[in-house]
Amino acid sequence: KNQVEQSPQSLIILEGKNCTLQCNYTVSPFSNLRWYKQDTGRGPVSLTIMTFSENTKSNGRYTATLDADTKQSSLHITASQLSDSASYICVVKLTNNAGNMLTFGGGTRLMVKP
Amino acid sequence: KAGVTQTPRYLIKTRGQQVTLSCSPISGHRSVSWYQQTPGQGLQFLFEYFSETQRNKGNFPGRFSGRQFSNSRSEMNVSTLELGDSALYLCASSQGQGALMGGYTFGSGTRLTVV
Repeated sequence: KNQVEQSPQSLIILEGKNCTLQCNYTVSPFSNLRWYKQDTGRGPVSLTIMTFSENTKSNGRYTATLDADTKQSSLHITASQLSDSASYICVVKLTNNAGNMLTFGGGTRLMVKP
Repeated sequence: KAGVTQTPRYLIKTRGQQVTLSCSPISGHRSVSWYQQTPGQGLQFLFEYFSETQRNKGNFPGRFSGRQFSNSRSEMNVSTLELGDSALYLCASSQGQGALMGGYTFGSGTRLTVV
């Protein structure tokens, strides 16, 4: 069964601190892995996209890593800001004969406090 | 470049009714996919359309259906609404199938409340 598990479910950190979110997946056939940020009441916005051959991808203060062997990914946020408060969703795309399908993790709800 | 447009933004319906949601993809994008997001289940894939054909379908009952028009706009229909259908319905567009690095751009969603 294709699954994406994220941890922790929720996280509270102080402004300026760093944090790391985890994502484990069992999706086959794997196409790529994406991290999205979703503000309350809005659609998800893409942060990074990585294929199995990419280990690290950065987007400003966001750095994603991927270990295709262990099927694990992480999202590291540096020098957090209040605007980082959101849900972060790990999404794995699989491609089969029928087409593409996205499998979503449950998300990590991050709250950054002043 | 306009983003993905979903209408309406909010909707309140009564149990048993049916509802149609609309999604206009980014210009030039030919693939549209739909997702249901609830607090308990998170984001779940409903179906994906490419060139007016449904290419993939998630694990939802037949009350959930969709279609895509020649201009790539898509509609999603839910018949015989149940209380559990209350959710944020998101659509996402991408350039097309087989685009390995194709990004999925999401709309802001339609918040459906069934009473």
